[in-house]
Amino acid sequence: KNEVEQSPQNLTAQEGEFITINCSYSVGISALHWLQQHPGGGIVSLFMLSSGKKKHGRLIATINIQEKHSSLHITASHPRDSAVYICAVREGTSGSRLTFGEGTQLTVNP
Amino acid sequence: DGGITQSPKYLFRKEGQNVTLSCEQNLNHDAMYWYRQDPGQGLRLIYYSQIVNDFQKGDIAEGYSVSREKKESFPLTVTSAQKNPTAFYLCASSRQDYGYTFGSGTRLTVV
Repeated sequence: KNEVEQSPQNLTAQEGEFITINCSYSVGISALHWLQQHPGGGIVSLFMLSSGKKKHGRLIATINIQEKHSSLHITASHPRDSAVYICAVREGTSGSRLTFGEGTQLTVNP
Repeated sequence: DGGITQSPKYLFRKEGQNVTLSCEQNLNHDAMYWYRQDPGQGLRLIYYSQIVNDFQKGDIAEGYSVSREKKESFPLTVTSAQKNPTAFYLCASSRQDYGYTFGSGTRLTVV
């Protein structure tokens, strides 16, 4: 079992739909990251969370430390949101290295 | 603008050859990392460095080597000992309590 599990693996939505991607982890962490990878391969950091909730534009990320669970929400989805979304955790005892989930492929159709 | 530059974007290598991937950052980050990505798998850590002249093996270091002679630079050499080098390679950097910055990646293909 991976230390970081994401669901779903693939997600197809219609433009305008509300989207949720989930991440569960099994280790103690000091921070959780949500990343976005576009088809070209480059990765952009969306959020770094250690508690609570963060919002940036149409993106919202939440984390529940007790339940070891985080969600990434996209409101009013748009075709340009189509990408792979990756959850990664910084373990509490491992310094700065990250452990990654396998990613969720999101496709938003017009 | 600060960021990470990886080069080249695409690289082709003949079997048995060593090849070096470049990673340069101008963010003044102390820590730098190399990750490998294969289809359907999460990123896996190859090597990381938290300070100049020091680096540690990650989870899949066999067949790879690195150096960290300058804070800005963390090149990765894929040696002939790496049995399955075809993959997408990502470099990243970070500073304590700050987020990560990733490069745009190098796609290596063995021909």
